[in-house]
Amino acid sequence: EVQLVQSGAEVKKPGESLKISCKGSGYSFTNYWIGWVRQMPGKGLEWMGIIYPGDSDTRYSPSFQGQVTISADKSISTAYLQWSSLKASDTATYYCARQRAVAGTYFYNGLDVWGQGTTVTVSS
Amino acid sequence: EIVLTQSPGTLSLSPGERATLSCRLSQSVSSSYLAWYQQKLGQAPRLLIYGASSRATGIPDRFSGGGSGTDFTLTISRLEPEDFAVYYCQQSETSPHTFGQGTKLEIK
Repeated sequence: EVQLVQSGAEVKKPGESLKISCKGSGYSFTNYWIGWVRQMPGKGLEWMGIIYPGDSDTRYSPSFQGQVTISADKSISTAYLQWSSLKASDTATYYCARQRAVAGTYFYNGLDVWGQGTTVTVSS
Repeated sequence: EIVLTQSPGTLSLSPGERATLSCRLSQSVSSSYLAWYQQKLGQAPRLLIYGASSRATGIPDRFSGGGSGTDFTLTISRLEPEDFAVYYCQQSETSPHTFGQGTKLEIK
């Protein structure tokens, strides 16, 4: 079964660091890009960025560039989203999802498999 | 950045009725890079339609997508109780791969 399994819910304080994970299984991890999507409480979906685990080529949304770091370790089929200093406004559910691309430019077929989401709560 | 505007914000219909959801883009994209997702409360989104009109694996044929350029639609031919959810469109032609703000489909 093809799946993306994300790490568990986190409760952190402002200023703390955090790294959440997304582990792929049931498919060749380096045949797909992994995207990250934020959903703040009661709000819509926001595309944060996407990484190719094969060579760690990463694209960020300008809204999230410099605010988070996306990385991957292809040896363990896992992608990561990390913060160096959390803010209360980072409170949200974060989803990973996979997508096909050609030549790192043509992202097609949509985000076809999603993780279950990781809820991050940042509160003093 | 391409802005996607979905309408209506909320659509109130009854089971058995037809639903038509709209997604308008601030600039033209190839149909190959337009997708629709369904999200139920407390669940991760699910891919419904990719390439503007191709149904994802396991999606019933009551769901169909169409359109081109800057105007795309998602149609649900006969609503089932499980179809009441929030629907999002997304473009992946130009980074950032933006989403629309969503249309909530609720039971009338």
